[in-house]
Amino acid sequence: GAVVSQHPSWVICKSGTSVKIECRSLDFQATTMFWYRQFPKQSLMLMATSNEGSKATYEQGVEKDKFLINHASLTLSTLTVTSAHPEDSSFYICSARGPYEQYFGPGTRLTVT
Amino acid sequence: EDKVVQSPLSLVVHEGDTVTLNCSYEVTNFRSLLWYKQEKKAPTFLFMLTSSGIEKKSGRLSSILDKKELSSILNITATQTGDSAIYLCAGNSGGSNYKLTFGKGTLLTVNP
Repeated sequence: GAVVSQHPSWVICKSGTSVKIECRSLDFQATTMFWYRQFPKQSLMLMATSNEGSKATYEQGVEKDKFLINHASLTLSTLTVTSAHPEDSSFYICSARGPYEQYFGPGTRLTVT
Repeated sequence: EDKVVQSPLSLVVHEGDTVTLNCSYEVTNFRSLLWYKQEKKAPTFLFMLTSSGIEKKSGRLSSILDKKELSSILNITATQTGDSAIYLCAGNSGGSNYKLTFGKGTLLTVNP
């Protein structure tokens, strides 16, 4: 099946710093990628839809200036958490829209201290 | 606003039991319903259902969609401890607003 990778798999950063998470589709081109956030014992919440070559579409309540998304190529989307705060600590998962379904990356655990 | 509701939220069974997980959805421009299994990391795909009444089967797992009732069930027979996971149901809206809306999941624990 299609493979999506994320980097890093986990990151610890200090409050106020920015963190970039990469999502790559390894064996297919993805014009659309999705970024989700998952808090402990909760479901996946869609943050934004990332379209190659255009601006991302953010879900209601998600600050676009805080969560910067760039989908510069057909195989790479990045999420940058700017001026991170402890409440941003979460599990961030990306997925790429493939020919039949969405393929999920392994996720990135972000801890902001 | 699209909504997906799963029940029960958690379930504890013994190995060998059969379980049924439920999912109901209200999704604009509904295209398909998907089931995922999530263990420690990201979800892994189980089934995609688009047609009502047609059962999809993979080993001990099976699932069916009822478009009239806007619902789906996931059955697991002869459960094993390795089936312990969160099972997520997601409604897929198609068209220009393609996206998945996830339910809260069912936490299944299978005890030996």
